[in-house]
Amino acid sequence: GESVGLHLPTLSVQEGDNSIINCAYSNSASDYFIWYKQESGKGPQFIIDIRSNMDKRQGQRVTVLLNKTVKHLSLQIAATQPGDSAVYFCAENFRNTGNQFYFGTGTSLTVIP
Amino acid sequence: DAEITQSPRHKITETGRQVTLACHQTWNHNNMFWYRQDLGHGLRLIHYSYGVHDTNKGEVSDGYSVSRSNTEDLPLTLESAASSQTSVYFCASKGAADEKLFFGSGTQLSVL
Repeated sequence: GESVGLHLPTLSVQEGDNSIINCAYSNSASDYFIWYKQESGKGPQFIIDIRSNMDKRQGQRVTVLLNKTVKHLSLQIAATQPGDSAVYFCAENFRNTGNQFYFGTGTSLTVIP
Repeated sequence: DAEITQSPRHKITETGRQVTLACHQTWNHNNMFWYRQDLGHGLRLIHYSYGVHDTNKGEVSDGYSVSRSNTEDLPLTLESAASSQTSVYFCASKGAADEKLFFGSGTQLSVL
């Protein structure tokens, strides 16, 4: 099966700094990607998505970058806040699997006040 | 507001018992999914459904079953619970292709 992975399992940043979380995917046919945030004891929460016809997409304090050449996805969080502490994981979808998503194992982000 | 709810939030059962986890969504989504989440693994797909009376096996379907009698509900049944099925279970739903998945809050299941 396809794999979606994250380069670092944990990340600690100072409050106010920017955070970058990375994700590698292996299927060049993947055409839709999502970043999720999961706080302890809660379900995954949608942060931002991007389609394969885009390289960058911005939301509120978050930016997702897609590099199809090296099959790499990143999530940038600006001015990281304590409330950003959570596990972040990416998900990929490709049309030949219909509506199925494949998920990475996640990166645990800790924001140091 | 539309939502997806799971029940119970926590469940403790014994090996060999049948257990059913409920999932209910009010988005009128055709596509519903059950995942399990374990340390060291990403979310792994158990079963999914693309509409009423449609069910499909995911990558870790052994020991689980689902039924889809209406659009809103996709209950997950563990026929004979095993300790290896101790996990956190998430239900999710989505609309058309290229749309995001919405997740429930999860059910923590412990099989003793």
